[in-house]
Amino acid sequence: NAGVTQTPKFRVLKTGQSMTLLCAQDMNHEYMYWYRQDPGMGLRLIHYSVGEGTTAKGEVPDGYNVSRLKKQNFLLGLESAAPSQTSVYFCASSYVGDPWDTQYFGPGTRLTVL
Amino acid sequence: DAKTTQPPSMDCAEGRAANLPCNHSTISGNEYVYWYRQIHSQGPQYIIHGLKNNETNEMASLIITEDRKSSTLILPHATLRDTAVYYCIVAAYNTNAGKSTFGDGTTLTVKP
Repeated sequence: NAGVTQTPKFRVLKTGQSMTLLCAQDMNHEYMYWYRQDPGMGLRLIHYSVGEGTTAKGEVPDGYNVSRLKKQNFLLGLESAAPSQTSVYFCASSYVGDPWDTQYFGPGTRLTVL
Repeated sequence: DAKTTQPPSMDCAEGRAANLPCNHSTISGNEYVYWYRQIHSQGPQYIIHGLKNNETNEMASLIITEDRKSSTLILPHATLRDTAVYYCIVAAYNTNAGKSTFGDGTTLTVKP
């Protein structure tokens, strides 16, 4: 049981490049989330999903797109990366019943945009 | 969902109890108080949650005031490994977790 995994762990992009971050969970969770965390700050929710085939905007969705084609995977895309998107990205998943009781996080992806 | 206020930082001596406060004066009757922590560079980890009664588990205790406008997370015997950012979150049970936020939390430093 691997829990929540994220790929890649580190990435450096040039401004304007695109990339996709992959999050996978093996706990059969319905909900999945993408957060970003800038240095010295708390986590901010980018997008989330309440089930396969659904997505919704969080607190800071601009510049990102997401897809949840399979229940176990949640993809975060940056179509044209900007230096302001330099951050650590965390994925999380949880059960439906009490999501804050059961939110499990991945190890994070450290992204630098030059 | 109700907002929370936490002190930005606190220190605690190793072996002593760490008491982390959280104010949530606008909490609604159906909202729970949840605590998470984030050890350096790792993803946040769930600690404990409660509605109005005090709660205890193997990690910590949660004390909620009678009017529910504030709470305190207690780490009874803090160790160096408890150095982390602690987040207090208020959210209603069985509602979409996408509606609540972590905030900036309290950085707890446990000193030898």
